[in-house]
Amino acid sequence: DAGITQSPRHKVTETGTPVTLRCHQTENHRYMYWYRQDPGHGLRLIHYSYGVKDTDKGEVSDGYSVSRSKTEDFLLTLESATSSQTSVYFCAISESTASGGQETQYFGPGTRLLVL
Amino acid sequence: QQQVKQSPQSLIVQKGGISIINCAYENTAFDYFPWYQQFPGKGPALLIAIRPDVSEKKEGRFTISFNKSAKQFSLHIMDSQPGDSATYFCAASEGETSGSRLTFGEGTQLTVNP
Repeated sequence: DAGITQSPRHKVTETGTPVTLRCHQTENHRYMYWYRQDPGHGLRLIHYSYGVKDTDKGEVSDGYSVSRSKTEDFLLTLESATSSQTSVYFCAISESTASGGQETQYFGPGTRLLVL
Repeated sequence: QQQVKQSPQSLIVQKGGISIINCAYENTAFDYFPWYQQFPGKGPALLIAIRPDVSEKKEGRFTISFNKSAKQFSLHIMDSQPGDSATYFCAASEGETSGSRLTFGEGTQLTVNP
């Protein structure tokens, strides 16, 4: 999984509690992404980061926040978990090209989250 | 709003057969079209990708066909093997400097019977 770890790998939590998922990379890649995967929807981008402290919203960002204080770590926080946030969460990384664009995205192993 | 539509949802093929998965997109600014392969319990992994300046790209048993005018692209897996059984996602992104925000299709679960 291209030097990407996600923690925890599995989590069960209750509605209304905050949850933080961690993505850690050892590749020193500039770009990091958080996706959620749900049946019938493929993968949908939640938030992404284009550098330390530089983040932007994706397609399904409501109810989620992110932080990136170091190149290697990208945190996803569910501020008050709801049952609709039960999903599999994937982190991805990519590097910048010489022309300033992005190369292939590499995905982590995922975190399976169940909100009761 | 699903900008990339993928079909079929599931596909069963006999060993040695050809698997074909289709995707259609709406955004004419998309200019990078990767396919990802995902095994159960794993993250998606890049399989093959194409840019719209070519109509076909082949890597081993995997071929992408691209039709820019129809805004469609497809994955062909020749001589399908049981080890190819996985979920396949097409995706698209716009512009090399746009943040590589991939838009994914819904996924196709491929089963190759021995």
